[in-house]
Amino acid sequence: KAGVTQTPRYLIKTRGQQVTLSCSPISGHRSVSWYQQTPGQGLQFLFEYFSETQRNKGNFPGRFSGRQFSNSRSEMNVSTLELGDSALYLCASSLDGASTDTQYFGPGTRLTVL
Amino acid sequence: AQSVTQPDIHITVSEGASLELRCNYSYGATPYLFWYVQSPGQGLQLLLKYFSGDTLVQGIKGFEAEFKRSQSSFNLRKPSVHWSDAAEYFCAVGVPNSGNTPLVFGKGTRLSVIA
Repeated sequence: KAGVTQTPRYLIKTRGQQVTLSCSPISGHRSVSWYQQTPGQGLQFLFEYFSETQRNKGNFPGRFSGRQFSNSRSEMNVSTLELGDSALYLCASSLDGASTDTQYFGPGTRLTVL
Repeated sequence: AQSVTQPDIHITVSEGASLELRCNYSYGATPYLFWYVQSPGQGLQLLLKYFSGDTLVQGIKGFEAEFKRSQSSFNLRKPSVHWSDAAEYFCAVGVPNSGNTPLVFGKGTRLSVIA
């Protein structure tokens, strides 16, 4: 069974631009979560989607948004990029997002904002 | 709200030595507890998890963890470390019977292994 895939793996953008990251979950998984990982803050939860609906949202500004498609693939968008948005963005999928579910993580997208 | 503390930012051990990584949590009851590992350039991989029952949990790659309610701890152990264990380790806390409340992760402990 293929794992969670994320594209692109690396991105370099400049301040003020916007970016879209993509995540394809494991086949059959309906829940997709996004995390931002930085050296100072560790892993911080961005949001979780299930059946095309956002069920949970972390404490991030509205510049961070996401969506999920009918095939469970998910995208996240960051608008008006800031230097502080430089991070590794991780996507995780699970069967239905229950607290007992195992989350399977993708390798991440490394975003650098110049 | 639950929280997780991993007191050690970086640990160095010799290959073949034993390992213990510390994790302390804050939560009003017994939470769900997880340990994940992240190798360079990789996503996180689940090592083991605790929901209830036997407080000593066995995981993959020879790791085990022990839940101690009295100390609010869930420390990860391995009796003999291999060079391939060099990675970053994350402890995480989940809320039981909460549906889909997201996990809260500690800030991680980076493990270096020397010959």
